Amino acid sequence: AQTVTQSQPEMSVQEAETVTLSCTYDTSESDYYLFWYKQPPSRQMILVIRQEAYKQQNATENRFSVNFQKAAKSFSLKISDSQLGDAAMYFCAYRSARGKLIFGQGTELSVKP
Amino acid sequence: SAVISQKPSRDICQRGTSLTIQCQVDSQVTMMFWYRQQPGQSLTLIATANQGSEATYESGFVIDKFPISRPNLTFSTLTVSNMSPEDSSIYLCSVGQGEGTEAFFGQGTRLTVV
Repeated sequence: AQTVTQSQPEMSVQEAETVTLSCTYDTSESDYYLFWYKQPPSRQMILVIRQEAYKQQNATENRFSVNFQKAAKSFSLKISDSQLGDAAMYFCAYRSARGKLIFGQGTELSVKP
Repeated sequence: SAVISQKPSRDICQRGTSLTIQCQVDSQVTMMFWYRQQPGQSLTLIATANQGSEATYESGFVIDKFPISRPNLTFSTLTVSNMSPEDSSIYLCSVGQGEGTEAFFGQGTRLTVV
């Protein structure tokens, strides 16, 4: 069975600085998809970024980028120029071929002004 | 992207009663899922809602406790039956269009059982 692990329960970053959230996963599948979701206090799950396992190039969305290391089964999220609105719970997720999402435990990010 | 309306947004229920949560999507979707998020925890998949057939439940979740309907490609319901305080959680509906596509989520239903 697939598992997703986020080893950082909490992280803090100064406004305008850069922070990296870690995620590792375990799977025997060769084709899969990885996601980072953001959940603010409103509890709405918001997609931040996605990565296809067959693509070697790391995904980037504005200030958000990933470091995808397929052999190491690592999928970290880098947030550049952090803003107060980035404060939220961040979940790493794995999508299997069947379509269901498996989530990590989450990392609560706080941004200090 | 799909727009998902989930109702109710929150409810406080007496133990032993049941609550039905509705999930309405503004377009036809291939996949619909129901998740539970217990306080301070991550999301756990309850089941995949299959159109026209019985839902596929994950380990630890059973149909008698969480009956699910999906009468068409835009609508699904999750019922939390015979509730106890341990069922107090956020329940989220999620939809997807196919393998690899991102999942879109409803705003969640915050359930408190007293």
